[in-house]
Amino acid sequence: AQKVTQAQTEISVVEKEDVTLDCVYETRDTTYYLFWYKQPPSGELVFLIRRNSFDEQNEISGRYSWNFQKSTSSFNFTITASQVVDSAVYFCALRGYSGYALNFGKGTSLLVTP
Amino acid sequence: GAVVSQHPSWVICKSGTSVKIECRSLDFQATTMFWYRQFPKQSLMLMATSNEGSKATYEQGVEKDKFLINHASLTLSTLTVTSAHPEDSSFYICSAATGNEKLFFGSGTQLSVL
Repeated sequence: AQKVTQAQTEISVVEKEDVTLDCVYETRDTTYYLFWYKQPPSGELVFLIRRNSFDEQNEISGRYSWNFQKSTSSFNFTITASQVVDSAVYFCALRGYSGYALNFGKGTSLLVTP
Repeated sequence: GAVVSQHPSWVICKSGTSVKIECRSLDFQATTMFWYRQFPKQSLMLMATSNEGSKATYEQGVEKDKFLINHASLTLSTLTVTSAHPEDSSFYICSAATGNEKLFFGSGTQLSVL
């Protein structure tokens, strides 16, 4: 069985603060893929990153960074110097070795205030 | 990049009517498409997986007679909510998988059943 847990339901920060969104996953597959998506109020899902289980290197993309720790089954997402436009719901998702369907966490609603 | 077009973006219908939602891959062929459902402030729940030319595979608890899925071509999948009721009101999102295992999402359809 596969499961994604995003324990933080809602986070509120003031602009320019750094914020980390947690994601913990469970899977029996040795090969799997992890994703982060952003869902703004308009509803569409915006792809942020995909990471496979063999690549534990952390990644940085502008103000976004991801910390993949296989030992703790975590794939956390940090936004540095947050901006109001970062306000959205962020979903962590897991895909197993076979098939393309994603298992989503419950999402973390991030509110960045001026 | 690859684009998935989903229509309509929102629909309001009377209870008892049927509603069809279309999901098209615009510049790639999608052998597999997925339909998700999202209740307000909830996660995306996979409803079914559809493969071109074959019957859809429904997740446990999803009524196949109520949510009819047709994947008649490599670029089009449709979801028909039959005899819709207020409890079917939700946000429906499709996604399509490319041949190189990338997954793209439509912009979603907000269904409101009165």
